[in-house]
Amino acid sequence: EAGVTQFPSHSVIEKGQTVTLRCDPISGHDNLYWYRRVMGKEIKFLLHFVKESKQDESGMPNNRFLAERTGGTYSTLKVQPAELEDSGVYFCASSPNYNEQFFGPGTRLTVL
Amino acid sequence: GESVGLHLPTLSVQEGDNSIINCAYSNSASDYFIWYKQESGKGPQFIIDIRSNMDKRQGQRVTVLLNKTVKHLSLQIAATQPGDSAVYFCAENGREAGTALIFGKGTTLSVSS
Repeated sequence: EAGVTQFPSHSVIEKGQTVTLRCDPISGHDNLYWYRRVMGKEIKFLLHFVKESKQDESGMPNNRFLAERTGGTYSTLKVQPAELEDSGVYFCASSPNYNEQFFGPGTRLTVL
Repeated sequence: GESVGLHLPTLSVQEGDNSIINCAYSNSASDYFIWYKQESGKGPQFIIDIRSNMDKRQGQRVTVLLNKTVKHLSLQIAATQPGDSAVYFCAENGREAGTALIFGKGTTLSVSS
């Protein structure tokens, strides 16, 4: 069974540019989560989709971040415009239920 | 806000030793806890979980202990191997089922041969 995949694995952009991260969950998993880890700090929750609906977006830092999950399959997380403090590793996780979450390899975002 | 914390940022052990990684949590409403292992360049990988109605759960070479009285969680790795070297995170699902995991800062385990 294929795991959670994320694209790209790395992204280097300049401040003010736009970046879109993609996550493909495990097939059949209704729950999809976005997290990020800023250098030296803990992994923090951003938001949670159940199918195509946003269940909880309380962790989104500000309105420069926009997440979508059209059709309830893959999800995108867009940062526009990117700021220096957005640098970090963005993880996606999916779950078939409300317990174990399976994580993708992450996208390392560097904003210069 | 409430968070899950780890006692030590790093732990160094010799191959074959037993390792114990500790975690303190603050949310007394938490009812589900997970240990994840993260290797360089990879995402967190599930190791073992435990529910609040249990105080111990064993897996292959790993044991998780939960002490609700002092809100403490630990991960024991038996006969630690070089391949166990990674960052270990504890996480809790403190709110209603299905919501976000709250992670601790992580402990880096280094295993030397």
